[in-house]
Order: sequence, then structure tokens, then C-alpha cells
Amino acid sequence: QQQVKQSPQSLIVQKGGISIINCAYENTAFDYFPWYQQFPGKGPALLIAIRPDVSEKKEGRFTISFNKSAKQFSLHIMDSQPGDSATYFCAAPYGYDTDKLIFGTGTRLQVFP
Amino acid sequence: SQTIHQWPATLVQPVGSPLSLECTVEGTSNPNLYWYRQAAGRGLQLLFYSVGIGQISSEVPQNLSASRPQDRQFILSSKKLLLSDSGFYLCAWSYTPLGNEQFFGPGTRLTVL
Repeated sequence: QQQVKQSPQSLIVQKGGISIINCAYENTAFDYFPWYQQFPGKGPALLIAIRPDVSEKKEGRFTISFNKSAKQFSLHIMDSQPGDSATYFCAAPYGYDTDKLIFGTGTRLQVFP
Repeated sequence: SQTIHQWPATLVQPVGSPLSLECTVEGTSNPNLYWYRQAAGRGLQLLFYSVGIGQISSEVPQNLSASRPQDRQFILSSKKLLLSDSGFYLCAWSYTPLGNEQFFGPGTRLTVL
């Protein structure tokens, strides 16, 4: 069964540091890779997504880097803040189906002051 | 703007009892609708997917079923709950002309005792 492998499972970063989360995917029919942020007891919220006609997308402190040849993409959080403490999920298209996503297992990020 | 609602927010049910969780979307027509389950500390498992009224795709064999009686209503059901049905149930919607983004509801926390 198709998987998206996400690492690390948990991450502890000091305030102001850089948080990096990595994902690896399998073959997909098209390139669309979103990241979701989930706070405890809430539904995931779309954080940032990339459609890689570019190798990088930046929105504020959040950047997605994409390596198509390696089938990998990553989320970088610059100047990490305690309010960024949440669980982060990457996702990729589910095979060749244009309407479904498969999610990574999540990374729990804790940012300490 | 579009909004998605789920209820109830929390539910405690005995083993063997029936289940009905409801999801409704406002502000869009003909959305794709999804049911996910999230076990504690785990990723998002796609349970059901619907592209239109009465059209349901089941992703994982299980004790649950889904129905879509109206365009913007999606219901998750069970005739007899199992302990293993406990989890956080999330409804999501997407609208293909807007892209592949999925938008999640607030979730229902189900505990089966």
C-alpha cells in the first residue's frame, strides 16, 4: 500500500531555532504536496502547499523544499515560536487519484522558550 | 466563505451500541467529502470518500459505513460499535476546481467503553 514516510516523529526546538520535518513519497500522477498543522483537539488546518513547478515555496516563516528526483519534500519553520507547537502532517496525492491524499504519520513539534 | 461542521464534538458510547456522526458543509456545491479516523498519536486514515450524492467509496474494510443523503451532508454510521472504533473522526471537503486542498472540520472524539 502506498505510504508517505514522515520524520522525525517528534521534535523539540528552542525558541528562535529552525524546525525541519521531512517526508518521502511514492509515485504520484501529479505534484501537489500540502502540509497541515494540528493543535490538540482540533482538526488539521492547511498550512502551506507546493505544486512543484518550483522547488521551493515560502510563506512567512514557513518554507517547503521539494526534491522531485529523490521524491522528498520538507517543511522548514524559521524562527520557531512556542505558538508553533503542534503536530504537523505532510500529504501527497494518493496514487493516480486526483481527489485523494495520503498523509504522513505526523511530527509533534514542541518549541520551548 | 465555506465552513464545515461536525457533531457531536464528543461522544462516549458502550460497545455494541449504534453510531451516527454527521458532517455538513456550507458555502459550496458538489464538494468531495471525506471521513478520516485519527487514532491517538497517529496519522490520518481515510475511511470513506464521496464525489456526489449516494456515491461512496470505502477505503478500509471495517465496522463502519457512510452515506451521503444530500449534496453537503455526510454521515458516518455503525450498527454495533467495537472498542477499536474509538478515535478522533474528522470530516473534510475539497472542490476540485479550486485545487486539491482538503479542508477539515473540528472533529468528533469518540470513546467506546
